[in-house]
Amino acid sequence: KAGVTQTPRYLIKTRGQQVTLSCSPISGHRSVSWYQQTPGQGLQFLFEYFSETQRNKGNFPGRFSGRQFSNSRSEMNVSTLELGDSALYLCASSLSLQRGIRVDTQYFGPGTRLTVL
Amino acid sequence: AQSVSQHNHHVILSEAASLELGCNYSYGGTVNLFWYVQYPGQHLQLLLKYFSGDPLVKGIKGFEAEFIKSKFSFNLRKPSVQWSDTAEYFCAVNPTGTASKLTFGTGTRLQVTL
Repeated sequence: KAGVTQTPRYLIKTRGQQVTLSCSPISGHRSVSWYQQTPGQGLQFLFEYFSETQRNKGNFPGRFSGRQFSNSRSEMNVSTLELGDSALYLCASSLSLQRGIRVDTQYFGPGTRLTVL
Repeated sequence: AQSVSQHNHHVILSEAASLELGCNYSYGGTVNLFWYVQYPGQHLQLLLKYFSGDPLVKGIKGFEAEFIKSKFSFNLRKPSVQWSDTAEYFCAVNPTGTASKLTFGTGTRLQVTL
C-alpha cells in the first residue's frame, strides 16, 4: 500500500505570496492532519480534516487554512507569506475509525519544505 | 492543554550501549502515546505506540517503551544501539477518543558512534 504523498517536495516563495500544498493520504484513510516543523518550535499541529470537515485546529493564524476533498486528499493554503513561515510542512493520515473504534495512529508523509525569501 | 517533555536533547552513545530516552506528559485523562523516529533525510516513522493494555510495548528495530501511569512517563529503551539508530526521536501524545491531534515533544537527537 502506498504511503502518504505530498507535493511539491520543495517550494521557494517570497513574502506576501500565497502557497498551496497537497497531500494524498494512504488509501482508505479518512483523516488528514497537518503539522509544521521548525528548528525553533519543533512539530506543531495545524489542523485536522475528516470527511471534508475540519475536526480540530491548532493555534495558528487564519492565514493558514485547509480543505479536504471527497477522496480524502487534502490541501493546505498559506496566504500572505511571512519569513517565519519557512518550515517543513508535514501531512499525516490515519484510518480514524475501524468498526466504530478510534484508531488514530498517524502515518506521516515526507513533507514539503517551504522557504520564504 | 497537554504537553510533552523530552529532557534529553542530544544523546551520544557508543555502539552496543543501552539507550533510555525520557518522555513525560501532562494531561489528566487517558492518553494514547507514541514514539516516532526521523532518520537523516527521511520522514517521520512510527516506532511504537500505546493505546491500552500491557504497559510494556514493543516496537520495530528492537525498541520498547514502558508506560508508567503514576509517573506520566513513556520512556523509550533499547538494550544495544547500532550506528544505524542515529536519528531524532520524538515522543507524542493525544488524549484517548479525541481527534488525530498529536502533541509532540521537542525531540531527542541520538548520535551513535562506532
